[in-house]
Amino acid sequence: AQKVTQAQTEISVVEKEDVTLDCVYETRDTTYYLFWYKQPPSGELVFLIRRNSFDEQNEISGRYSWNFQKSTSSFNFTITASQVVDSAVYFCALTLPAQGGSEKLVFGKGTKLTVNP
Amino acid sequence: ETGVTQTPRHLVMGMTNKKSLKCEQHLGHNAMYWYKQSAKKPLELMFVYNFKEQTENNSVPSRFSPECPNSSHLFLHLHTLQPEDSALYLCASSPLGLTSGGLSTEETQYFGPGTRLLVL
Repeated sequence: AQKVTQAQTEISVVEKEDVTLDCVYETRDTTYYLFWYKQPPSGELVFLIRRNSFDEQNEISGRYSWNFQKSTSSFNFTITASQVVDSAVYFCALTLPAQGGSEKLVFGKGTKLTVNP
Repeated sequence: ETGVTQTPRHLVMGMTNKKSLKCEQHLGHNAMYWYKQSAKKPLELMFVYNFKEQTENNSVPSRFSPECPNSSHLFLHLHTLQPEDSALYLCASSPLGLTSGGLSTEETQYFGPGTRLLVL
């Protein structure tokens, strides 16, 4: 069965600290995609990154970086020098193929990040 | 207007009411989705539409009735809901088969802001 586990329910840090959000996934598929989404208090899920199972290169985008390791089935997300605006719930997700070519997302329960000034 | 929009943003209804949620996407996508986000559960997929045809129904009760009149609009008709149906309902869209330079675009889903529903 496909499953995404975000073991950290809530994390609280002080501004400028680095913080890592953990994501562990389970799937029997050899081809899959992993995502991170950010959900600020407004409710909208904001797409951050999509990574396919064949690309284990780490990715960096500004203060955000992602560490994908198939050996441990993990796709962790690090925010460097956190800011108050980073406060949100962050979701890790895994795709399942759906009929007709679209994809279904399986989400973790999310990690609520609070960055205090 | 760009992206994925949802109306209303907030809705309070009684168990005997009938209401509809609306989703509109301005991204030229061909797939649309309804998700439910409850307080104590992970985001759950409800329905998937590809090119206006329903392709996934994730065992959703019949008191939720989706409608997709075209690739840009998606509705969720609600009737005789229960208090446990109170949740944030999120709509998403993805390209599905759109091509650029001969390559398929990735099926990243883009979400709307959601409708926060309270059933009394």
